[in-house]
Amino acid sequence: AQSVTQLGSHVSVSEGALVLLRCNYSSSVPPYLFWYVQYPNQGLQLLLKYTSAATLVKGINGFEAEFKKSETSFHLTKPSAHMSDAAEYFCAVSQYGNNRLAFGKGNQVVVIP
Amino acid sequence: KAGVTQTPRYLIKTRGQQVTLSCSPISGHRSVSWYQQTPGQGLQFLFEYFSETQRNKGNFPGRFSGRQFSNSRSEMNVSTLELGDSALYLCASRFGSGNQETQYFGPGTRLLVL
Repeated sequence: AQSVTQLGSHVSVSEGALVLLRCNYSSSVPPYLFWYVQYPNQGLQLLLKYTSAATLVKGINGFEAEFKKSETSFHLTKPSAHMSDAAEYFCAVSQYGNNRLAFGKGNQVVVIP
Repeated sequence: KAGVTQTPRYLIKTRGQQVTLSCSPISGHRSVSWYQQTPGQGLQFLFEYFSETQRNKGNFPGRFSGRQFSNSRSEMNVSTLELGDSALYLCASRFGSGNQETQYFGPGTRLLVL
């Protein structure tokens, strides 16, 4: 069964510092991977997705993620955190033959001024 | 293009009652999926509908059901509500049913069961 692991439910980062959120997946076949962001009292918004076209994926708001098959990872980064990045971030996996998204537990990001 | 809309946004019910939530997908999208979000269990898949047919179902009891209409609008119903059903229910739509397709989420319906 497909699954993703996100460690560290709460992540604190200083404004201007690097944002790094880790995601490891488990999938028996090549997966499709997604990062979503959720702001308070809102639904999920897609940040970026990996569909095998390129291992380094650029998304919205300056975020990017790199797919590493050898490490079964899809970590999300942003070079310089902004106050507006405070939100909850979810990694999700979908694989061929299974239409559902399986989500990680999420990372609540707090940006310290 | 208008996004995914969900109604109502907030709902308070008591144990034993039933509830119906509605989701209108992005125009042209034929697939609608439902997810339950709780602090303890996180985001869990409920079911997916495509062209009025349920294509996939998560591990939820039969009290949770859904349907999709010919205009792709979807409803989910929860009967005999339990306290543990309190959650944010999210609906997502996509054009087809391909796994690589982005699912676009609505703002959710927050259900509180007392």
